Amino acid sequence: GAGVSQTPSNKVTEKGKYVELRCDPISGHTALYWYRQSLGQGPEFLIYFQGTGAADDSGLPNDRFFAVRPEGSVSTLKIQRTERGDSAVYLCASSSSRTSNEQFFGPGTRLTVL
Amino acid sequence: DQQVKQNSPSLSVQEGRISILNCDYTNSMFDYFLWYKKYPAEGPTFLISISSIKDKNEDGRFTVFLNKSAKHLSLHIVPSQPGDSAVYFCAASVGTTSGTYKYIFGTGTRLKVLA
Repeated sequence: GAGVSQTPSNKVTEKGKYVELRCDPISGHTALYWYRQSLGQGPEFLIYFQGTGAADDSGLPNDRFFAVRPEGSVSTLKIQRTERGDSAVYLCASSSSRTSNEQFFGPGTRLTVL
Repeated sequence: DQQVKQNSPSLSVQEGRISILNCDYTNSMFDYFLWYKKYPAEGPTFLISISSIKDKNEDGRFTVFLNKSAKHLSLHIVPSQPGDSAVYFCAASVGTTSGTYKYIFGTGTRLKVLA
């Protein structure tokens, strides 16, 4: 289909390791968002890209988290020195323009840090 | 500080009856509100939205009501169907100078429609 895709669907890692989570937005969508959903909570905003640039990274919890979108399409969320508290579902969403207020979500990547 | 609250973690309704899901917010700067539905192992899917300049928006079986003075919105589903069983998230957004429309989500209400 033509929806937002995320890989991997599940990732299990050990504390202290580095992980990368990938998001493929809907083709042509210029805005891309990352959210994190912990158990029993709603999704929590992490970072927003407009094109290639991170327009708002105010939701990143600390400097272990970083995201890139080098060509304005695919984005990668990178987590260094993972901690057990990073375990969550990481959701990616895209929208069609800077002014669009409807975001389309991918299925998420479930990250488990042992 | 939870800016968007869904105080009912779960709700059960008989098929054919009305489901009412509630959401409260604290930030008067929010200018757009949305409801998303989420099935297990899937991402949230957009259901219906409302701008802060309106007090009602209807789309088929789904109606969202906004009461700005009370900072309260609700989603009505009528008639409810078993396929509506899912977790429903209320979300609010405010545009920023960076162009962000980042959503602030509630914690969700799990709706179960009984056949």
